[in-house]
This record gives sequence, C-alpha cells and structure tokens, in this order.
Amino acid sequence: GAGVSQSPSNKVTEKGKDVELRCDPISGHTALYWYRQSLGQGLEFLIYFQGNSAPDKSGLPSDRFSAERTGGSVSTLTIQRTQQEDSAVYLCASSPDSRTGNTIYFGEGSWLTVV
Amino acid sequence: GENVEQHPSTLSVQEGDSAVIKCTYSDSASNYFPWYKQELGKRPQLIIDIRSNVGEKKDQRIAVTLNKTAKHFSLHITETQPEDSAVYFCAATITGNQFYFGTGTSLTVIP
Repeated sequence: GAGVSQSPSNKVTEKGKDVELRCDPISGHTALYWYRQSLGQGLEFLIYFQGNSAPDKSGLPSDRFSAERTGGSVSTLTIQRTQQEDSAVYLCASSPDSRTGNTIYFGEGSWLTVV
Repeated sequence: GENVEQHPSTLSVQEGDSAVIKCTYSDSASNYFPWYKQELGKRPQLIIDIRSNVGEKKDQRIAVTLNKTAKHFSLHITETQPEDSAVYFCAATITGNQFYFGTGTSLTVIP
C-alpha cells in the first residue's frame, strides 16, 4: 500500500508569508508525528497526534507554528509569518498505534526554503 | 523529558570492517529503541529495533544491543559495504508517546 505522503515536496516562500504543509498518513494509522530537520542536523520533534486525544504540542518552537489533524487522518502544519530560520525539511510520520509500541514510518518530507 | 545522545557524529571505516554507533538515554521508563538509516535526500527508514525486554537482536549484518542498567544501546554493522554509507539515527520512546531522536551519525564506508 501507499506510504506516508507529503505535499508539497518543495516550497520556496518569501519571508513573512504563511505556508501550509500537508501530510497524508498510511491508511489506518492512528498516530501522526511532525519533525523538523535542518540541513545536516537531527530530527527535532514538533507535534504528535494519537487518535482523538489532545495532541502533544510541546515541540512547537513558537506560536507561529500550528498543526491540526482533521477526521483523524490528514494533517496540516501551518507556519505563519515565515522566517529564514524556518528553512528546513519538515518530516511527517505515522504509526499504527503508538500505544502498542509500533514504530513510525516517515514520509519523504517537505523541503521549505524561506528567502 | 527524554534526552538521547548519540556518538560519534561522524564515522569512517574501510569496507569490510565493523562500525559501532552508541546512544544513551536518560529516562529509565523508555521501552522501545529503533534505529533509522537516512540516505542523502531520502526519508529515514527503520533498519532494526529492540524492546526493553530483550538484550540483543540481530538481522544479518546488523545487530543492536541494549543495556538497561546503563541506559545505553548500540548499533553494530559488520562487514560494511559502500551502500551502508548514510546517516544513522537512534531513537527512544515510552510506548504511547513521542519518539526522541539522537543527533545522527554520518557513516562513510571507504571502498
């Protein structure tokens, strides 16, 4: 079946503009994660959704970042008033049910460049 | 929260030699430890994982060991090949929570 799908794959935006990044998890996966990876760096946790529970937003770096997950499936990560330091790859991942210890599967990422 | 440290940050080995990457974690409640391989421009992909009730797991040339007392776990790659060249990430999690990743190890296998 299809893996985690992310769009757009590449986005160049001007500083100060808002961007939306979309993640379509693997069908049936109840857990969804967003991570950020700057060039040559590790994986920085942003936000985590598990089913209908309140999301863990503890990794969001500022109030310019928000995410939602509609209908327990597709998720959108929104960055308002983008800054150059927001340039990174934004990786989405999903797992069947994080509560049973299943591992996570990543999408190809959305490469964001803020100019 | 959990803190995962990973060493070394870069590693070069001759083809055919072994490579070892080590991670430590801070939260003794962590119970699941996956390893991911990320090739340049690609998504991280799971290569092996271990749960806290097991001390070692092997899959062909790859093995992972876990020492719960010392709170560290290691990835071992034997008979390395050029296609093993990539960035490797360790992670730790408590079931039902977010995954905490190490900062990555860039492995280069020299032919």
